Amino acid sequence: GEDVEQSLFLSVREGDSSVINCTYTDSSSTYLYWYKQEPGAGLQLLTYIFSNMDMKQDQRLTVLLNKKDKHLSLRIADTQTGDSAIYFCAETDNAGNMLTFGGGTRLMVKP
Amino acid sequence: DGGITQSPKYLFRKEGQNVTLSCEQNLNHDAMYWYRQDPGQGLRLIYYSQIVNDFQKGDIAEGYSVSREKKESFPLTVTSAQKNPTAFYLCATKTIQGATEAFFGQGTRLTVV
Repeated sequence: GEDVEQSLFLSVREGDSSVINCTYTDSSSTYLYWYKQEPGAGLQLLTYIFSNMDMKQDQRLTVLLNKKDKHLSLRIADTQTGDSAIYFCAETDNAGNMLTFGGGTRLMVKP
Repeated sequence: DGGITQSPKYLFRKEGQNVTLSCEQNLNHDAMYWYRQDPGQGLRLIYYSQIVNDFQKGDIAEGYSVSREKKESFPLTVTSAQKNPTAFYLCATKTIQGATEAFFGQGTRLTVV
């Protein structure tokens, strides 16, 4: 089946940029998502990108998609302590019904 | 207030008991999902339903059961057959087609005592 991989942990200093990476195996992935999870809470959608795009920017967030290498990244500019959370990459199948998640990357922002 | 409501927030189960986790939505979404999250791990799909009175097994359905008698409700029962049920359970909903957002409830933390 589909597989989505992420690194487990990232630590940055406040004000620096954070880059969280994700790789996936399903070449038919249609949409790719980034979700944020704060402690003890559900997941909040940050942004998503269509597979026919290679970049999407939304305020401090920049998503880059390399479809050839099946690599997705999320860049957070001017990272703040409030950005500390777990970030999940996810992808959907052709029908857009199923969501497959990566294992999550825990971002720690040091003051 | 629109959204997804999971209850209870915390649940304790004795060995050998069945427990049911509630998930209710008023978003009029057709698809509903149950995920399990273990510490330091990602989300694994337990069951999902795309229409009333129909549901499909996910990757880790053994020891769980669901029903979808109403569009708004998708309860998950953790049976005594589930040997390691302690986890954080998340319910999500989504419209059927396209790049639409999946909305998540706040989760239920189940602990076996």
